[in-house]
This record gives sequence, C-alpha cells and structure tokens, in this order.
Amino acid sequence: QKEVEQNSGPLSVPEGAIASLNCTYSDRGSQSFFWYRQYSGKSPELIMSIYSNGDKEDGRFTAQLNKASQYVSLLIRDSQPSDSATYLCAVGYGSSNTGKLIFGQGTTLQVKP
Amino acid sequence: GEEVAQTPKHLVRGEGQKAKLYCAPIKGHSYVFWYQQVLKNEFKFLISFQNENVFDETGMPKERFSAKCLPNSPCSLEIQATKLEDSAVYFCASSQSLGQETQYFGPGTRLLVL
Repeated sequence: QKEVEQNSGPLSVPEGAIASLNCTYSDRGSQSFFWYRQYSGKSPELIMSIYSNGDKEDGRFTAQLNKASQYVSLLIRDSQPSDSATYLCAVGYGSSNTGKLIFGQGTTLQVKP
Repeated sequence: GEEVAQTPKHLVRGEGQKAKLYCAPIKGHSYVFWYQQVLKNEFKFLISFQNENVFDETGMPKERFSAKCLPNSPCSLEIQATKLEDSAVYFCASSQSLGQETQYFGPGTRLLVL
C-alpha cells in the first residue's frame, strides 16, 4: 500500500462544474496536508494547505480533512479550462515534523469548455 | 531572491558520468528540500537541510548521491556515476520553517542520462 494514494484519472468535468479530488494516507501521525497544482513541464504550485479536521475554503477551492478516516479532498467549484492540470496531494510525514512531504501520484484534471 | 532558483534547467549525461545540480533558496528561508520526480508524477523526497546542516536524509541513495548547503553558496545535489534510472526532474524547495509552512518549489532541473 502506498503511503499517499490518489486516483490518477484523468478526471474530466465540464466547464462550470464541481471537480472533486480525493486522497487517502496511511500514517495516522501526519499533521499537515497540502494540495499542489502542477501544469505539464512546470513546478508544483501550492493551492491549499489544511491542518485541522473540517473544511477550509479559499475562493473556488475547498479542502476537506478527516483524520479519523485518513482522507483529504479538494473541491474546485466553477471549474475553468485553466484548472486543467495535475493535482498532487502531499502529506507532511509522520508526527515528528521533519518537513518531509510524501506525495500521491497525482490526479489529472481535464476541464472541457 | 523571491523565488527558488535552480540551475541548470536541463542536463544531459552519459551513463557513468557525474551530474551536479544547484539550488538557491528564497532569501530568509532556513530549510531546503530536494525531491526527485520520475515518470511525470512520482515524487520522491531525497534530503533536507536546515541552513548548512543535513536535517533528514532518509530518501538519499547514499552510494551515489550527495548533497551540500554551504554558507553563501547555492545548495548542490551531486550524482556520481549516473545511471539510466536517475533520469528525472529534480526539484528543490525551500521554506522558512517546518510544520505549517509552505514549501516553495523551484522550476526544476531535468536530468537525462543516456
């Protein structure tokens, strides 16, 4: 079992729809969770970070964290073609906080006009 | 600077040759991280530094990989005797501190081993 798992997709949604991206992790001691967006050939760019159970909203993006279920999700409302990219879930490794991030394999999102 | 800088952008080496990659973190950031991205999406943590001190090297293949962060110099990642499977994009990231602190990624160095 991988430490951080994502459905690789592609996830295809029409423009204006809600895109839902999911991630599960195996280490119960993890305390920090991040969603990065990566366009092809570019470096990862932080979209959201979340540290406490519940929802965190920033513009069109909402991150959801459920530590009991070891589950993190990212919702993108009013999806735009420019949102088409690979979304990487990253988890801060363990409870000892070394800063090391463990990444999922990424979910490719395609937003169709 | 305001961005993480990495050089070179591209590096081509024959199998068995040495490769050296450089990273300048954002000014004021104390932590530097190196990640390897193989096959487009598989990110692997290699090593982290707190200033010039190795902080976590649990991801480093120690027999051929080494890294340094020296005062007043860019950090470096060196691969001795490169192998085909070392072909990847190597990303450097930096952060001000640990924990609830964003890691900002550089543009990456694309290494191709032939």
